[in-house]
Amino acid sequence: DGGITQSPKYLFRKEGQNVTLSCEQNLNHDAMYWYRQDPGQGLRLIYYSQIVNDFQKGDIAEGYSVSREKKESFPLTVTSAQKNPTAFYLCASSTGTVAPVFGPGTRLTVL
Amino acid sequence: AQSVTQLDSQVPVFEEAPVELRCNYSSSVSVYLFWYVQYPNQGLQLLLKYLSGSTLVKGINGFEAEFNKSQTSFHLRKPSVHISDTAEYFCAVSEEGNQFYFGTGTSLTVIP
Repeated sequence: DGGITQSPKYLFRKEGQNVTLSCEQNLNHDAMYWYRQDPGQGLRLIYYSQIVNDFQKGDIAEGYSVSREKKESFPLTVTSAQKNPTAFYLCASSTGTVAPVFGPGTRLTVL
Repeated sequence: AQSVTQLDSQVPVFEEAPVELRCNYSSSVSVYLFWYVQYPNQGLQLLLKYLSGSTLVKGINGFEAEFNKSQTSFHLRKPSVHISDTAEYFCAVSEEGNQFYFGTGTSLTVIP
């Protein structure tokens, strides 16, 4: 079955530490997205990529970085510059008029 | 950029009663519209989408939505809700498949 996988499901980070969230898709979608979800604030776009080796900042990119070396993969690194990283992180992919397909999410907690 | 407004942050409704979750968007240009459902600690699942054609769109789990271009709205409806419909619902808008903009969500609670 095609879909999006995110790992790990739960992640704990110490202050000052960088962590990387994995996102892989086998849907052959061109575009991939990272969203952050906080209670009562809906989904906020962190980064998106429409083709390999190219990506753009979303509304809340500060303190995050991404890469898109392969079509299937779009990892997100939460750096120590992100002062309030505790949140639920969602990865999605889409192509053309196909509605975005979401992964199961990663819950990041700062200790 | 688009903005999406979900007018109700929380909607309680009794089981087997009808429900409407409201969504308005900002731009009148050609748009694609979506409703998603999210259960606790899970990703979003697509309920239905409007790309073109009939303004009444039917989705999964008995949900439907109506696109109203003049009012820039895309309200979600279900004639009779079940306990299992308790979840968070998100409306989303895209301008021809480019960036997708999401509302802040509506928490639907079905009361037995």
